[in-house]
Amino acid sequence: DAGVIQSPRHEVTEMGQEVTLRCKPISGHDYLFWYRQTMMRGLELLIYFNNNVPIDDSGMPEDRFSAKMPNASFSTLKIQPSEPRDSAVYFCASTEDRGYGANVLTFGAGSRLTVL
Amino acid sequence: GQQVMQIPQYQHVQEGEDFTTYCNSSTTLSNIQWYKQRPGGHPVFLIQLVKSGEVKKQKRLTFQFGEAKKNSSLHITATQTTDVGTYFCAPRIYGGATNKLIFGTGTLLAVQP
Repeated sequence: DAGVIQSPRHEVTEMGQEVTLRCKPISGHDYLFWYRQTMMRGLELLIYFNNNVPIDDSGMPEDRFSAKMPNASFSTLKIQPSEPRDSAVYFCASTEDRGYGANVLTFGAGSRLTVL
Repeated sequence: GQQVMQIPQYQHVQEGEDFTTYCNSSTTLSNIQWYKQRPGGHPVFLIQLVKSGEVKKQKRLTFQFGEAKKNSSLHITATQTTDVGTYFCAPRIYGGATNKLIFGTGTLLAVQP
C-alpha cells in the first residue's frame, strides 16, 4: 500500500481564497482523522470519520472549515474563506478498528498551507 | 482545545546523554501511545502501553506506564543524532471515545553531536 496520500503538499494562497486539501486513506481503514499542527497550538484534532460518517467535529475551528468524506477512499478539508491564521500543516491519518482503543494511526505526509 | 501536558517542552542534549519525557494526565487512562515526528516529517507510531505499570523496550528506548495509569514516560539511553525530533504521547481517557486520539503537547529533542 502507498500509505495515506495527501495533496497538495504545499499551498500558498491569499487571504479570502478557498482552499481544498485532499486525503486518500489506506485501503481498508475505516477511520479517517484530520489534524492541524502549529507551533502555538501543537497537534490538534479537527474532525474524524468512521465509515465515511463524521463522528466528532468539535475541533473544527469555525464555520469557515468543512470536511467531507464522500466515499471510503477520499476525504476533503475545505477552508472558505481562508485567513492568515489558518497557516499550518494539515495532516490526514487513517486507521482500522482493531478493538477497544488498540488502533494505530498512520499519517500522511501533510499539506503545508500558507495564507498571505 | 483538548491538550495533554508533556514535560519538558524542549530538551537539548549532547550525543550520548540520556533523555526522558513525561506525559501527565489528571484522569485515569485506558491506554497510551507514543509517536515520533522527525523535523519536517509526520508523526510515526512507536508503541502502545495498556497495563498498569507496564514497561516496554525498543533498543535504547524505554516506555513506562504509571501504576495509577495517569502518567507515562519515554526514556532514551545514550542519545544519538537520529533521535532528533518531537515525541508525542497520545493518551486515551478511560471511558472516553475509544477511537478519538488526542495528542500531547510534545517534547522536542535536539541532540548535539
